[in-house]
Amino acid sequence: SAVISQKPSRDICQRGTSLTIQCQVDSQVTMMFWYRQQPGQSLTLIATANQGSEATYESGFVIDKFPISRPNLTFSTLTVSNMSPEDSSIYLCSAHTGGRETQYFGPGTRLLVL
Amino acid sequence: ILNVEQSPQSLHVQEGDSTNFTCSFPSSNFYALHWYRWETAKSPEALFVMTLNGDEKKKGRISATLNTKEGYSYLYIKGSQPEDSATYLCARTGTASKLTFGTGTRLQVTL
Repeated sequence: SAVISQKPSRDICQRGTSLTIQCQVDSQVTMMFWYRQQPGQSLTLIATANQGSEATYESGFVIDKFPISRPNLTFSTLTVSNMSPEDSSIYLCSAHTGGRETQYFGPGTRLLVL
Repeated sequence: ILNVEQSPQSLHVQEGDSTNFTCSFPSSNFYALHWYRWETAKSPEALFVMTLNGDEKKKGRISATLNTKEGYSYLYIKGSQPEDSATYLCARTGTASKLTFGTGTRLQVTL
């Protein structure tokens, strides 16, 4: 199994500012992902964080809005840039060792943009 | 079915009741079906990963079945307890590791 921590756990931000969320895994993992859950919606994949290279974004998500870093096999950051109230969501990172194994999640970052 | 769908959206049962939820998903290019339990302010907790048609898995009072041909999975909770109150999520993976989630079933168990 993998234990995942995220910082911050919650934040209230002003429109137009940026927030960086950190994700730390307690062991080396093959794959890390970032998800978002907007109010009343399902968890939606934002991107796959690739170690040492640019993240792979899903349709509807772009690097300028959600820059992602993954400098090693246990750590990743997601930045929510130029925030608007529509970015108010829970942001979760997850880690996976590959194949049909369980994918583990962090506790999430609850973001409110005013 | 194009997306992962869960029903009911919410459920309110009494302690001791048994209950079940449904997850429907596209059956083409199926790789695995995951069930999670998500309590507020906590990490989603992995319950089951199922891959084969006819799979049945059990963890305490919770069990799940899988039908990959028709694209559905059931989650059962026997003798519900207040600590079972949570949102139950199912998610499907295709050939990649990306999870496609349903919107979840919110369960509330009262005394």
